[in-house]
Amino acid sequence: SQQGEEDPQALSIQEGENATMNCSYKTSINNLQWYRQNSGRGLVHLILIRSNEREKHSGRLRVTLDTSKKSSSLLITASRAADTASYFCATANLNDYKLSFGAGTTVTVRA
Amino acid sequence: EAGVVQSPRYKIIEKKQPVAFWCNPISGHNTLYWYRQNLGQGPELLIRYENEEAVDDSQLPKDRFSAERLKGVDSTLKIQPAELGDSAVYLCASSLRVNEQYFGPGTRLTVT
Repeated sequence: SQQGEEDPQALSIQEGENATMNCSYKTSINNLQWYRQNSGRGLVHLILIRSNEREKHSGRLRVTLDTSKKSSSLLITASRAADTASYFCATANLNDYKLSFGAGTTVTVRA
Repeated sequence: EAGVVQSPRYKIIEKKQPVAFWCNPISGHNTLYWYRQNLGQGPELLIRYENEEAVDDSQLPKDRFSAERLKGVDSTLKIQPAELGDSAVYLCASSLRVNEQYFGPGTRLTVT
């Protein structure tokens, strides 16, 4: 079963705009991770945020985590055509770090 | 450094036929995972290996699915017999440290 739920399911933006997607989950976690998947390819790890962290940055990516609301957001700033992909959040169990993935947000960046 | 290698990339079979997928993890990674990803969904863990030992196979449908990881390196996932509902992408991932999984490109299985 999938713990995380991403919102929105799909997002279409103009190049240069920012893209924001959200992830909600149900049980306590050790950490939350975001992955990108280009069409027909495997998943690429983007960023990890631990349960005791509130915000993290990596290049044009900004991730927030609110454990009281059991939610996270991923912001991609100044989007590029190459950012077109599906983005998945994955939560890691407290005990065994087992990952549970959401259904993903499909982002399309228009040139 | 080579990433996780999977083969074949695509497989089309008729229902009731057997099929096998192969995975070669990143060198030195002792943890190996098999996931199934249905269309429009995120990956779901089927089995996790620590070296040769399957430490979590709770989500593996054992009536038709089997997996092995001989010598703690390469792994094979088998389905016998395949059903229409098995159509999906099968992803292999490996890790050296927890929280750092590296995924292969996957095998897209179509059962007709």
